[in-house]
Amino acid sequence: DSGVTQTPKHLITATGQRVTLRCSPRSGDLSVYWYQQSLDQGLQFLIHYYNGEERAKGNILERFSAQQFPDLHSELNLSSLELGDSALYFCASSSQGSSYNSPLHFGNGTRLTVT
Amino acid sequence: AQTVTQSQPEMSVQEAETVTLSCTYDTSESDYYLFWYKQPPSRQMILVIRQEAYKQQNATENRFSVNFQKAAKSFSLKISDSQLGDAAMYFCAYKQGAQKLVFGQGTRLTINP
Repeated sequence: DSGVTQTPKHLITATGQRVTLRCSPRSGDLSVYWYQQSLDQGLQFLIHYYNGEERAKGNILERFSAQQFPDLHSELNLSSLELGDSALYFCASSSQGSSYNSPLHFGNGTRLTVT
Repeated sequence: AQTVTQSQPEMSVQEAETVTLSCTYDTSESDYYLFWYKQPPSRQMILVIRQEAYKQQNATENRFSVNFQKAAKSFSLKISDSQLGDAAMYFCAYKQGAQKLVFGQGTRLTINP
């Protein structure tokens, strides 16, 4: 158990809809990362938050947004969903601030299916 | 931008044998970290081993070890005494400073009984 909690585990929704994925990082971790993994693909970085502030953006669509709350949990909002958004969405956390070698600890992912 | 390349989409090995998974990366930085993650059919991402670029000694974790060649920008993973539970996708990843992990495309490892 990595200590990172993601909910829900599975989500099935229709095109055009909006969903929210939730992530609770490991206790004490200030950094949260979101990754997208399409079928049989590698992990694509979406966005990184550190202690409530956005630190880096990757290939995140404008239809997607995220935030990290004061209690450090994070939410990824996906809107105007398309079939191609179907994927496994991972949240990861790390303790890094200045600790360069902190690995990322991953949650079990949310599997999103858009029909 | 940093890139990570895993040139072996698939590998297979007999149970109890040794297998090596390849990874190369591209960076102009001198201080960075490298990782191998395992993704079994359950789709969890599990940290296998990590290597600091400033350390010359290769990291080892039980049956897992790496061959880190900094000048060649190569970071291979060796799995000794392969077990059925080692079957998974293996991802090589690079991290520089407090930035994101950059992943390779993965190598699917099959263990033959």
